[in-house]
Amino acid sequence: KAGVTQTPRYLIKTRGQQVTLSCSPISGHRSVSWYQQTPGQGLQFLFEYFSETQRNKGNFPGRFSGRQFSNSRSEMNVSTLELGDSALYLCASSMSTDEAFFGQGTRLTVV
Amino acid sequence: GQQLNQSPQSMFIQEGEDVSMNCTSSSIFNTWLWYKQEPGEGPVLLIALYKAGELTSNGRLTAQFGITRKDSFLNISASIPSDVGIYFCAGVMTGGFKTIFGAGTRLFVKA
Repeated sequence: KAGVTQTPRYLIKTRGQQVTLSCSPISGHRSVSWYQQTPGQGLQFLFEYFSETQRNKGNFPGRFSGRQFSNSRSEMNVSTLELGDSALYLCASSMSTDEAFFGQGTRLTVV
Repeated sequence: GQQLNQSPQSMFIQEGEDVSMNCTSSSIFNTWLWYKQEPGEGPVLLIALYKAGELTSNGRLTAQFGITRKDSFLNISASIPSDVGIYFCAGVMTGGFKTIFGAGTRLFVKA
């Protein structure tokens, strides 16, 4: 069974640009959550989607958005990038709400 | 907001030693999860706990779901160099769709 796949693995963007990250969950998983991980802040919850609906949202500015497609694949978008957005972005999928399985993450560097 | 207090923040131990780490909260959780993250990778699920008082093992790892449902601990016996990494606890909220992560315990093992 394939795991959670995140693309791209690495990304370098310039301040002010926007970026879209992609996550393909484990087959059969309908819940996809996104997290931002920075050295000083640990894992910060961004949002969670279930059956194409945002079910939960963390405390991030509106520049961070996401969506989920009918095949459960999810994307997150960050507009007007800031230097502080540099982080490892992790996607996790689960059947419902409990055991979440993570992808390898996308390392975003904003210069 | 809800948060998990994970301790210790870091541990420096000798190969062969046993390790213990824990997570506490003022909130009640339905499920406790323990993950391990190695550099450049996403967290990998080690153990999932579903019932208060439950004690579960996975090889040299043992975790328990606290009887009050507000805490959990993870023990690693006879540590080896490949145990190095960051260990995260996570609590899944009762009746909700939110997973809260601890800040992580960074484990260093000296051969």
